[in-house]
Amino acid sequence: GIQVEQSPPDLILQEGANSTLRCNFSDSVNNLQWFHQNPWGQLINLFYIPSGTKQNGRLSATTVATERYSLLYISSSQTTDSGVYFCAVGETSGSRLTFGEGTQLTVNP
Amino acid sequence: DGGITQSPKYLFRKEGQNVTLSCEQNLNHDAMYWYRQDPGQGLRLIYYSQIVNDFQKGDIAEGYSVSREKKESFPLTVTSAQKNPTAFYLCASSPDPGIEAFFGQGTRLTVV
Repeated sequence: GIQVEQSPPDLILQEGANSTLRCNFSDSVNNLQWFHQNPWGQLINLFYIPSGTKQNGRLSATTVATERYSLLYISSSQTTDSGVYFCAVGETSGSRLTFGEGTQLTVNP
Repeated sequence: DGGITQSPKYLFRKEGQNVTLSCEQNLNHDAMYWYRQDPGQGLRLIYYSQIVNDFQKGDIAEGYSVSREKKESFPLTVTSAQKNPTAFYLCASSPDPGIEAFFGQGTRLTVV
């Protein structure tokens, strides 16, 4: 099956800093999503972005499908941005969503 | 409100007992999924269903069973054959495979 690798595994920032999270995948995809898991475990949808670039406030994402990677940018980070960020992909040939291991982000005041 | 409802939020069971986790959606989505998450790890696929009365095993289906008798419901049974059932279980749905998926709030199962 498809492999999904996220980097870095852990990231510690001061409030106000910017960051870039990366997601590499091993095969063609028809679905790529970024999620934020809050302290209560709920997965919050950030972006549905199988290709191209999207922006939502301080967050933006870019997927370069031909090169098999996606980037999530967080600007002017806030303590509420802390949590785990997951990338999940759906293979073009399949119907399942495969998750990476996540990036644990800690934003200190 | 439209959404995915998982119940209960917390569940405690004695070892050797079967337990069923509920997942209901009113989004009219065809596809539904069950994932398991262990502490500090990503989500692993247990079962998924693309349409009523049809479902497929995911990566870690052993010790679990599902049914999909109604479009809006996809219950997961954790059987006594599952060796390490204590985990966080998440249900998701999407209009179609390949389309954006949405998750419920999860059920934390503890087996003692």
